Amino acid sequence: RKEVEQDPGPFNVPEGATVAFNCTYSNSASQSFFWYRQDCRKEPKLLMSVYSSGNEDGRFTAQLNRASQYISLLIRDSKLSDSATYLCVVNSHNAGNMLTFGGGTRLMVKP
Amino acid sequence: DVKVTQSSRYLVKRTGEKVFLECVQDMDHENMFWYRQDPGLGLRLIYFSYDVKMKEKGDIPEGYSVSREKKERFSLILESASTNQTSMYLCASSPGGTVSGNTIYFGEGSWLTVV
Repeated sequence: RKEVEQDPGPFNVPEGATVAFNCTYSNSASQSFFWYRQDCRKEPKLLMSVYSSGNEDGRFTAQLNRASQYISLLIRDSKLSDSATYLCVVNSHNAGNMLTFGGGTRLMVKP
Repeated sequence: DVKVTQSSRYLVKRTGEKVFLECVQDMDHENMFWYRQDPGLGLRLIYFSYDVKMKEKGDIPEGYSVSREKKERFSLILESASTNQTSMYLCASSPGGTVSGNTIYFGEGSWLTVV
């Protein structure tokens, strides 16, 4: 079982739609959680950190469910420019203090 | 502005060749990393270094070695390239201490094809 799992997609949605991705992690001692965005043939870039109480940044909302060991990303009012791959990233301080990356979920927003 | 520079963006090498991938960061970061990324597998850590001349194996070090002679430069070496090393390679750096997803910076990636 992968340590961090994501549905690879692609999720094809029309502009203006709301879309949500989930990511599950296996290490119950995981401490920190992040969503990254990666455009085609580009490096990953931090989209947002995920806090225990949930957090919002404009059209993006991240949630953490420690009991079920998953995090989610909700995108409201999708734009064409949101088309990218979204990577779930987990930091487990008892696992050599390294980041573990999910395989990514691909989003395609269509006009 | 934070900068991690990978000198080669696209390379095509032959099986058995020795390959050097160079990475330079200008942020005076202690930690540097080499990942490879393959479709559906996410980023997998090859090697990392937390100081000059220090190196630690990551999850998939086989077939690779690294060199960190200067703080700003971290090189990935494929001693004898094989076709299963065709991939995108990402270099990253972060400040010393705890590695966090909001303080790690990636280079633009190096696309290596081994034929």
